[in-house]
Amino acid sequence: TQLLEQSPQFLSIQEGENLTVYCNSSSVFSSLQWYRQEPGEGPVLLVTVVTGGEVKKLKRLTFQFGDARKDSSLHITAAQPGDTGLYLCAGTGTASKLTFGTGTRLQVTL
Amino acid sequence: KAGVTQTPRYLIKTRGQQVTLSCSPISGHRSVSWYQQTPGQGLQFLFEYFSETQRNKGNFPGRFSGRQFSNSRSEMNVSTLELGDSALYLCASSLGGTSGVDEQFFGPGTRLTVL
Repeated sequence: TQLLEQSPQFLSIQEGENLTVYCNSSSVFSSLQWYRQEPGEGPVLLVTVVTGGEVKKLKRLTFQFGDARKDSSLHITAAQPGDTGLYLCAGTGTASKLTFGTGTRLQVTL
Repeated sequence: KAGVTQTPRYLIKTRGQQVTLSCSPISGHRSVSWYQQTPGQGLQFLFEYFSETQRNKGNFPGRFSGRQFSNSRSEMNVSTLELGDSALYLCASSLGGTSGVDEQFFGPGTRLTVL
């Protein structure tokens, strides 16, 4: 069974602070995706990383895929209240099935 | 382009009943996957349908079943409901390709409460 552990589980920060969320596994994934989910809604795809060592930037969000394609990180610069939500990483493994991480709940306050 | 739609959005049932949830994928998407999300277990994969055939299956009991129609719309059924089936049920659609990245797009979910 492929498992994805995210850390931290909860994060409460003030507007303007920086943060990093980690997604780790002992398994190799062919690609990894990051989603953000708001209460009562489905996850929204933020980015997909495919190549080991790949770095993608989406405005204030920076995503990195580990060299061995077993881990990933999400870094947010100058967090804003609109960044509040549940962040989920998801890896594509065998049979193209998505395995979701345990989730990181982020709260950004004014 | 319309997104993934799920109906109903909310549902309340009692133990022992059965329930059917519906999902309409993004136009042109042929794969529909279903997930169960609970606070304790997170997001867990139920099954995936592609071209009316179940292509992948998670580790859920046989009470959970699904089907896909020729227009790619999908339904999932849960029979003999248990309290532990209370969850947000999410549907995701994708093109369904098996080579390269197959990005999944989620619907808003159906919140099922079992009393």
